[in-house]
This record gives sequence, C-alpha cells and structure tokens, in this order.
Amino acid sequence: GIQVEQSPPDLILQEGANSTLRCNFSDSVNNLQWFHQNPWGQLINLFYIPSGTKQNGRLSATTVATERYSLLYISSSQTTDSGVYFCAVGPAGGTSYGKLTFGQGTILTVHP
Amino acid sequence: EPEVTQTPSHQVTQMGQEVILRCVPISNHLYFYWYRQILGQKVEFLVSFYNNEISEKSEIFDDQFSVERPDGSNFTLKIRSTKLEDSAMYFCATQDGNSPLHFGNGTRLTVT
Repeated sequence: GIQVEQSPPDLILQEGANSTLRCNFSDSVNNLQWFHQNPWGQLINLFYIPSGTKQNGRLSATTVATERYSLLYISSSQTTDSGVYFCAVGPAGGTSYGKLTFGQGTILTVHP
Repeated sequence: EPEVTQTPSHQVTQMGQEVILRCVPISNHLYFYWYRQILGQKVEFLVSFYNNEISEKSEIFDDQFSVERPDGSNFTLKIRSTKLEDSAMYFCATQDGNSPLHFGNGTRLTVT
C-alpha cells in the first residue's frame, strides 16, 4: 500500500515563529488532507489539497503531486496551534476514495 | 456547516462485552468509514461502506467487527467481544464522492 512519511516528528517553537511541516507519499493520490488533532483527540480538517496551493488565515498548504509531497505552513504560531498534525492520502485509481493512509504525525508544541 | 455526530463520546466496557458505536453521517453523504487510533499512534483505516455493503476492509477488521446502517440514518460499528487491545479512539467519517472526508469527534473506547 501507499506509504506516508511526515517530518519532522517533533517541533518546538516560540510563539510568533513560522514553521513548515512536510508530507512525502509513495504513489499517486486523488485525496490529500491535513488534519490538526487537538488535545481532546478531535481531528480538525485543515485542508483538502490533492494538488495546488490553498491558504486559510495563518495556515497555507501546497501539494506537488508530480513530486509526491505536500507542505503545511504555519505563520505567526500561537499556543493554540499546539497538537499533532497529520497528513493523510487516498490512492489514485480504483474505488478506494476514502481509504486514507495517515502519516505518523508531527507533534507541534508552541511555547508562550 | 454540517457535522458528523458520534455517540457516545466515551465508552467504558469490560473485556468480552459487546459494544456498539454510533455515527450520524452528513445527510447527503453516500460513503461511510470507520477509523481507529490507538493512544499515541497514527489513525488507521478499518472499513468503508457504500450502498449498504462493505466496499473495503483492513486486516484489523476481523470477524469481531461488523457495520450496518440499521435505519438509513445511523451508521454503527459493533465489536462483539471486546479485547483489551480494542481500547482506542474510533472515528466515523463520511464523504459524498471524490471529495474530502468529514470526521466525527470520535468515541474513546476503554476496555478493562
């Protein structure tokens, strides 16, 4: 099956700093989503971005499908950004639209 | 914005007991999924369900697990005889085609 690798595994920032999280995947995808898992365990959908670039406030994401990676940018980080960030991909072709494979996640800690 | 609703938020059960986890999908969605996250690990696909039948399942989804839409609205996951290793967060997700998955807030299952 498709492999998903996220880096870095851990990231510690001071409030106000910027960061970039990376997601590499091993095969063509028709679905790529970034999630933030908050301290209560809820998965918050940040972006649906199988290709291209999107922005939402301080967050933006870019997926270069031909090179099989995606980046999540967090600017001017806040303590509320802390948590685990997951990248999840769904394979291109077939009918497995929603069979997402998750990466191991990046644990982000933002200090005041 | 429409939401996927899961109940209960937390379930404690004794080993060997049956549990049913419930999900109310977004109303026009046709594809339904269950995912699992063992504490501290990544989110894993369990099963996909479309047109009242299982379309795909993982090796985790053995004979102890079953899914159904008993009344055309709820989507349930049943574990017949729980084991300690079934303790996890269980997420329901729904989708209306080749589009992002919408996740519920999860049910934290604790087997004692």
